[in-house]
Order: sequence, then structure tokens, then C-alpha cells
Amino acid sequence: NAGVTQTPKFRVLKTGQSMTLLCAQDMNHEYMYWYRQDPGMGLRLIHYSVGEGTTAKGEVPDGYNVSRLKKQNFLLGLESAAPSQTSVYFCASNPSGGRNIQYFGAGTRLSVL
Amino acid sequence: DQQVKQNSPSLSVQEGRISILNCDYTNSMFDYFLWYKKYPAEGPTFLISISSIKDKNEDGRFTVFLNKSAKHLSLHIVPSQPGDSAVYFCAASARETSGSRLTFGEGTQLTVNP
Repeated sequence: NAGVTQTPKFRVLKTGQSMTLLCAQDMNHEYMYWYRQDPGMGLRLIHYSVGEGTTAKGEVPDGYNVSRLKKQNFLLGLESAAPSQTSVYFCASNPSGGRNIQYFGAGTRLSVL
Repeated sequence: DQQVKQNSPSLSVQEGRISILNCDYTNSMFDYFLWYKKYPAEGPTFLISISSIKDKNEDGRFTVFLNKSAKHLSLHIVPSQPGDSAVYFCAASARETSGSRLTFGEGTQLTVNP
């Protein structure tokens, strides 16, 4: 039972490079989320999706794009990485409806030099 | 504006004693609250939750208390164990919020000393 899987686990980028973070869940969850965690700031929501083909902006969406082409996958893209995007990124998912608990992946540690 | 705030970045307690982690919120629309626990190099995992219709919820060694008038909640761990050493995040959601969105606090690093 894999749950929520994030790839890669670590990445170092140079300023201006692009990359895509992949989140995959095998729990058939409708909702998926991307967060970033920075020291002293907790987890902040970047983008989220309430179903296949849908995306919405969270608290800190600038500089990121997302896609949810398949229900089980949620991709986070950085088109032109900046040092301010150095962070740990977490993906989460939960079923639709009610107050369901979000299940998190292990995170991707990204450094932008 | 930080709608969910954990004012203590760190807390250190002795094994066997009580750990009390605090959380304050400002948004009166929040009606569901959760605590997550996070070990290094892992994702947060759900610990315990409470609805605004209750003022207490207990699960084994963990109890969450909610004081709606003060917009304050706390997590009590009794007795504390070294394995409880982790970062604890408080989170909140509002019923009408799209997609079960959560707003997280900054986290409190709990260290339980043997």
C-alpha cells in the first residue's frame, strides 16, 4: 500500500531552470494538494484539485503551475525556478466530501541556486 | 495574515510528563481542527481532530481541547514518550471552503527527553 508517492525526493536546480514534481496516489482520492514548507511558516497551500481535469489556486500560487490529467496524478511545475522557491514540497490527497483527513507524501526537497 | 498560529516554536519535556501544545486561530469560520505529527524526512501524518461542536476529543494518550470563545485549542500528550519527539502542526478548515482545504500553523518542535 504505497499511499501518496512523490518523485523526485531531492533536486538541485539553477535559477531559471524548469522542472516538474510528480505526485501519485493509489487510494482513488478525488482531492489532491501541493504545499510548500518553509522554516517558521508551516505548510502553505500552492494549488489544489477537486477532481480530474480541475485545478485551483491556493495561498501561494505564483511561479507554479499544476495539471491533473489523470485522477491519480497531480503535477507541480516550475517554469523558471527562483531561489525563493527553495523549499520542501509536500503533496497530499483525500476523498471528496465531509471532513476527510489529508494523507501526505514524504516530500521533495528542492534547492534553487 | 497568519490565521492559525502556534506561538511556541519548540517545547521540551521529560519522559512520562505531560506535553501541552497550543494553537490559536483568528478566522471565526473555522469549524474543524486537526493535529498532524511530522518526523524528519517524512510527510505529516494525522494525529487527532475535533469538530467545533465539541470541546474535547480523546484518543489514547492524546487529547485535544477546543475553546471556541478564546479561539484556542491545545493538544495534551500524557504520558509523553521519547517517540513523541516530532514537529506538531495544528490545522483548521471551514465548512464552506472548497476542496476540504486546510490552513496550517507554523509547527512546534516537541522534544521528549528520556
